[in-house]
Amino acid sequence: NAGVTQTPKFRILKIGQSMTLQCAQDMNHNYMYWYRQDPGMGLKLIYYSVGAGITDKGEVPNGYNVSRSTTEDFPLRLELAAPSQTSVYFCASSYDSPGELFFGEGSRLTVL
Amino acid sequence: AQSVTQPDIHITVSEGASLELRCNYSYGATPYLFWYVQSPGQGLQLLLKYFSGDTLVQGIKGFEAEFKRSQSSFNLRKPSVHWSDAAEYFCAVAPRTYKYIFGTGTRLKVLA
Repeated sequence: NAGVTQTPKFRILKIGQSMTLQCAQDMNHNYMYWYRQDPGMGLKLIYYSVGAGITDKGEVPNGYNVSRSTTEDFPLRLELAAPSQTSVYFCASSYDSPGELFFGEGSRLTVL
Repeated sequence: AQSVTQPDIHITVSEGASLELRCNYSYGATPYLFWYVQSPGQGLQLLLKYFSGDTLVQGIKGFEAEFKRSQSSFNLRKPSVHWSDAAEYFCAVAPRTYKYIFGTGTRLKVLA
C-alpha cells in the first residue's frame, strides 16, 4: 500500500498566485486532515474531513480551502498566496478519531 | 484552553544512554495521548498511544511512555538510545474530538 501520498513535494509560488496541494490515501480512511508545520510551532490543523462531502475548519483555515468529493482524495487549495503561507504542509488520515494518524511525506511551499 | 507542553526544545544524549522526553498537557479529563517521531524530510510516524488501562505503554523501536494523571504528564522513555533515534519527537493529545493538539516538538541529537 502507498499509504498517504502528497504532491508536489516542493513548490515555489509568487505572492498572489494560487495552487492546489494534492493528497490521496489508499487505506479507505474516512478521516483526513491538513496540517502546517512551522519551525518551533508544532503542527497546526488547517482543515479536516470526516468523510466524503464533509469538511470543517481547524485552527488556521484562513487563506485555504478544501474539498472532499471522494474518500481517497482531500486537496488543499491556496488562494492568493502570501509569504505567511510559507510552510511545510502535511496531509494525514485516520481510520477512526481519535486514532492513529498516518502522515504523508509533506509538501514544502515557499511564497516569495 | 487545551494545550500540550514539551519543555525541552533540544536534547543531546550519548549513544547507549537512557532517554526521557517530557510532555505535559492541559485538559479537564483524560485525553487520548500519542507520541510521534519525525525523521528529517519525512512525515510523522506513531511511536505509541494511550487511550485507557495500563498507564505504562509500550511502543515501537523500544520506546515506552508512562501516563501520570496526577501530573498530567505522558513522558517518553528509552533505556538505551541508538544513533538512528536522532529525530524530532512530538507529543499529541486528542481531547475526544477530531482536533489533535500537538506539542512544539523535542529535537533529539545522539552523540556517537
